[in-house]
Amino acid sequence: GQQLNQSPQSMFIQEGEDVSMNCTSSSIFNTWLWYKQDPGEGPVLLIALYKAGELTSNGRLTAQFGITRKDSFLNISASIPSDVGIYFCAGRQPPNYGGATNKLIFGTGTLLAVQP
Amino acid sequence: DVKVTQSSRYLVKRTGEKVFLECVQDMDHENMFWYRQDPGLGLRLIYFSYDVKMKEKGDIPEGYSVSREKKERFSLILESASTNQTSMYLCASSHRGLNQPQHFGDGTRLSIL
Repeated sequence: GQQLNQSPQSMFIQEGEDVSMNCTSSSIFNTWLWYKQDPGEGPVLLIALYKAGELTSNGRLTAQFGITRKDSFLNISASIPSDVGIYFCAGRQPPNYGGATNKLIFGTGTLLAVQP
Repeated sequence: DVKVTQSSRYLVKRTGEKVFLECVQDMDHENMFWYRQDPGLGLRLIYFSYDVKMKEKGDIPEGYSVSREKKERFSLILESASTNQTSMYLCASSHRGLNQPQHFGDGTRLSIL
């Protein structure tokens, strides 16, 4: 099955630094979602994006739906130790691309480690 | 708050056993999904269901089957467990509709010996 290209694979940063990660695809999407997975837990939805160009914030997190509809990025400002985890992007293709309209395609994840 | 509950956090089974993983959601969601998560591969869709008694194959259905007898419950079945099915299994659910995000359970870490 198709997967999204998510980068970087991992990041090791100091507390207080800003973080940026992104997802790209060769095909267009009509929805982008960003999830965070804490160790031993299931993914939790952080931000949902539904329109090209949309920029949405959730506290220190900001995500954007790329104008081309083929990419999205997530920024975390002033990182703190509890930001540690795996961040996943997920996208949903338009119905005419085939497949179920609620089926998500996931990125391979970005592992974030924050040193106090 | 949406609650997706997976019956076991950890499970150890033997090769050849029939294994049942259970998932229950309390938000009257129409859609339910089963994924497996492996290092470096992200989440891969095994099966999903749009309604009671309805199921569709995902990207990696081989070796698995599912059952949706009630709207709130979606079961994943490993007919004859093999060691390559050792993985983290995640259940998710969502309402029907284009902009409905999926909500995940905490996962079941399954080991096949």
